[in-house]
Amino acid sequence: KQEVTQIPAALSVPEGENLVLNCSFTDSAIYNLQWFRQDPGKGLTSLLLIQSSQREQTSGRLNASLDKSSGRSTLYIAASQPGDSATYLCAVSGGATNKLIFGTGTLLAVQP
Amino acid sequence: EAQVTQNPRYLITVTGKKLTVTCSQNMNHEYMSWYRQDPGLGLRQIYYSMNVEVTDKGDVPEGYKVSRKEKRNFPLILESPSPNQTSLYFCASSLVDPSTDTQYFGPGTRLTVL
Repeated sequence: KQEVTQIPAALSVPEGENLVLNCSFTDSAIYNLQWFRQDPGKGLTSLLLIQSSQREQTSGRLNASLDKSSGRSTLYIAASQPGDSATYLCAVSGGATNKLIFGTGTLLAVQP
Repeated sequence: EAQVTQNPRYLITVTGKKLTVTCSQNMNHEYMSWYRQDPGLGLRQIYYSMNVEVTDKGDVPEGYKVSRKEKRNFPLILESPSPNQTSLYFCASSLVDPSTDTQYFGPGTRLTVL
């Protein structure tokens, strides 16, 4: 059974710092991995989707990498801003139903 | 604007009183699903639908029903709600295949069952 873990559960950094969020999964047979952002009182917003054949994806200040063999993904946020404060979730898809299996998220606080 | 909408956003009800949470998407997506989010457990899939009239159970379907009579709508039905169904619920949709297509999420429905 696929399990997705995100460490740390919470992270506080000063504005301008570069940071890395970690995601690990137990079964490497995945189709893709997605990173989402969740703001309080709002739904999830997809940030990046990495197909299983890809190694990384970039969008603006965000860069996500995927290492299927080791069951790991990282989300790199450059020059963090207070507006980046949110919960970041990773999710993998795979199996017969292609459903998403979510981690429990990392709560990020960027201090001005 | 492309979006997934849910109603109501907040609901407080009592045990046993049937309720329906509506979900609608305007992107002509074939795949729709429902998740619940609980502290420490993350998001877990309740039901999903690959297309009209095609639905199937996710990981935690007990106590829930769904229907997909139209492509744009995917209501979640709680026939006899119980306190353990108190949770934050999200509807999501993707174009065809959630393993390759981005999933779009609704704003969430916070349900409290007393």
